[in-house]
Amino acid sequence: DIQMTQSPSSLSASVGDRVTITCRASQSISSYLNWYQQKPGKAPKLVIFAASSLQSGVPSRFSGSGSGTDFALTINSLQPEDFATYYCQQSYSAPLTFGGGTKVEIK
Amino acid sequence: QVQLQQSGPGLLKPSQTLLLTCAISGDSVSSNSAAWTWIRQSPSRGLEWLGRTYYRSKWYNDYAVSVRSRITVNPDTSKNQFFLQLNSVTPEDTAVYYCARVRGTSGFDSWGQGTLVTVSS
Repeated sequence: DIQMTQSPSSLSASVGDRVTITCRASQSISSYLNWYQQKPGKAPKLVIFAASSLQSGVPSRFSGSGSGTDFALTINSLQPEDFATYYCQQSYSAPLTFGGGTKVEIK
Repeated sequence: QVQLQQSGPGLLKPSQTLLLTCAISGDSVSSNSAAWTWIRQSPSRGLEWLGRTYYRSKWYNDYAVSVRSRITVNPDTSKNQFFLQLNSVTPEDTAVYYCARVRGTSGFDSWGQGTLVTVSS
């Protein structure tokens, strides 16, 4: 199985900050990397697919980068509604696996 | 717009069988471009992909190794829905279970509302 490792596991930030979360795959997954946002009690929501493509309806302050084994999710000018937990997920091969999550909290 | 509506019991005893249903609207379970998936989430295991069913001229299934001996994911084309059956549940199967759609390798773009399943004697 492909292991996905996210860092940090949590971070504190203020409204307006730029935040970057990283995700590393245990082997090359090309650009088959997706990012999700999850709020308490809700299902995850797809934010970025194929490493850098913005899902329809997601604000442009979200962006993704990377290929191979190293990826990043960046949120420019953090907004109050962005405080949530973010997960990466590889869609390169089954079993499809997720990272452990990064909780973005209000400073 | 695709909507997935889950149904099924929330409380089971050890050794029982979990059966969850995911009803699809806005797409077809027989779509040649989608795969219909079950995922669970628990504090101890995080988000865990369990298995999927999809149609590409015939039906296919893939399952996670951790549950392969106990799991079945099947479509019901007559009602445009799909099922998760997990046999011989234990307390370690306690989790929130989600159904989800994926198209190609583009990520899970539609999710059910989630079902909290508790396994306890």
